[in-house]
Amino acid sequence: SQTIHQWPATLVQPVGSPLSLECTVEGTSNPNLYWYRQAAGRGLQLLFYSVGIGQISSEVPQNLSASRPQDRQFILSSKKLLLSDSGFYLCAWKKQWSSYEQYFGPGTRLTVT
Amino acid sequence: GIQVEQSPPDLILQEGANSTLRCNFSDSVNNLQWFHQNPWGQLINLFYIPSGTKQNGRLSATTVATERYSLLYISSSQTTDSGVYFCAVEWGGSNYKLTFGKGTLLTVNP
Repeated sequence: SQTIHQWPATLVQPVGSPLSLECTVEGTSNPNLYWYRQAAGRGLQLLFYSVGIGQISSEVPQNLSASRPQDRQFILSSKKLLLSDSGFYLCAWKKQWSSYEQYFGPGTRLTVT
Repeated sequence: GIQVEQSPPDLILQEGANSTLRCNFSDSVNNLQWFHQNPWGQLINLFYIPSGTKQNGRLSATTVATERYSLLYISSSQTTDSGVYFCAVEWGGSNYKLTFGKGTLLTVNP
């Protein structure tokens, strides 16, 4: 069966510091991968998605970036965090090129102070 | 892009009551999913239901694609059902991306 991991689970970082969040998927190959953010309140906003190694599409202009160095690894980064980057970051995967379910990881709660 | 609206935004029930959550969407969809976000933030897949009716225990869902809405039914609610319920859709022009509604916050009191 497939599993998705995210780390760290929680993170407190000062404004201006760098960020690296990692997501890995096990038990599948060549998945579509996604990064979402959930700010205070409820809405989930898609930040990035990837259909293959090195292929990243950005949905929202911001000071975040994403990379996919390996087939089942997805990384969210920032060079300098802003207060507005605080939130709950969720990684998700689905089978490529198919209308099947997306599955979500446990999330990383980021607080920028 | 597609619009996804969920109602009601908030719902408070006594344990044992039944409820219906609604999701309206503004365009044809390839995929529709219902999720439950638990108090720890985890998004739990409830249903993958682009059309038709499915049941899983006390929960069931119906999507009427031609009329662009989906319903989630919760029967005999329990306190563990509390949390936010999201509807999310994947539409034709989305390239396999999900668009989420704003959710329904369900509180079940003992």
